[in-house]
Amino acid sequence: EAGVTQFPSHSVIEKGQTVTLRCDPISGHDNLYWYRRVMGKEIKFLLHFVKESKQDESGMPNNRFLAERTGGTYSTLKVQPAELEDSGVYFCASSLGTNTGELFFGEGSRLTVL
Amino acid sequence: AQSVTQPDIHITVSEGASLELRCNYSYGATPYLFWYVQSPGQGLQLLLKYFSGDTLVQGIKGFEAEFKRSQSSFNLRKPSVHWSDAAEYFCAVGPYNFNKFYFGSGTKLNVKP
Repeated sequence: EAGVTQFPSHSVIEKGQTVTLRCDPISGHDNLYWYRRVMGKEIKFLLHFVKESKQDESGMPNNRFLAERTGGTYSTLKVQPAELEDSGVYFCASSLGTNTGELFFGEGSRLTVL
Repeated sequence: AQSVTQPDIHITVSEGASLELRCNYSYGATPYLFWYVQSPGQGLQLLLKYFSGDTLVQGIKGFEAEFKRSQSSFNLRKPSVHWSDAAEYFCAVGPYNFNKFYFGSGTKLNVKP
């Protein structure tokens, strides 16, 4: 069974540019989460999808960030325009349900904004 | 405010030695506690979790953790560390529906031969 896959693994962009990160969850997992780790600090929640619906987006930093989940399958996280403070590792995770507590994480997408 | 503190950023232990990684949490409701590990080039993997009951929980790879409510702690232990345990370890706390986790800043474990 394929795990959670994220693309790209590393992206380097200039301030003001746009970047789109993609996450393919484990097949059949209705729950999809985005988290971010900045500068070796704690991993912070960004948002949670249940199928194609945003369940909780309280962690999204501002309106430069847009997350979508087309048809309840893969998800994208777009940052437009990117700022220096957006640099970090963006993790995607998925889970089958919300009764086990176990999240399955991808390897993360490292974003560097210059 | 909800938060998790992992006071040790880096820890180095010799192979075969015992290990304890510290985790303290602040959470306004019943805490559901987790330890995840991230090995190089991999995603985070669940080591163990505590929901209720016995405060000493066993996980994968020979790890265990003890929940101490009075100290708001959930420390991770292993009696004998293997070189393959070198990784970064994250403690996390979440609500009953597991919809939103609060993670610590991680502890990097280095294992000396």
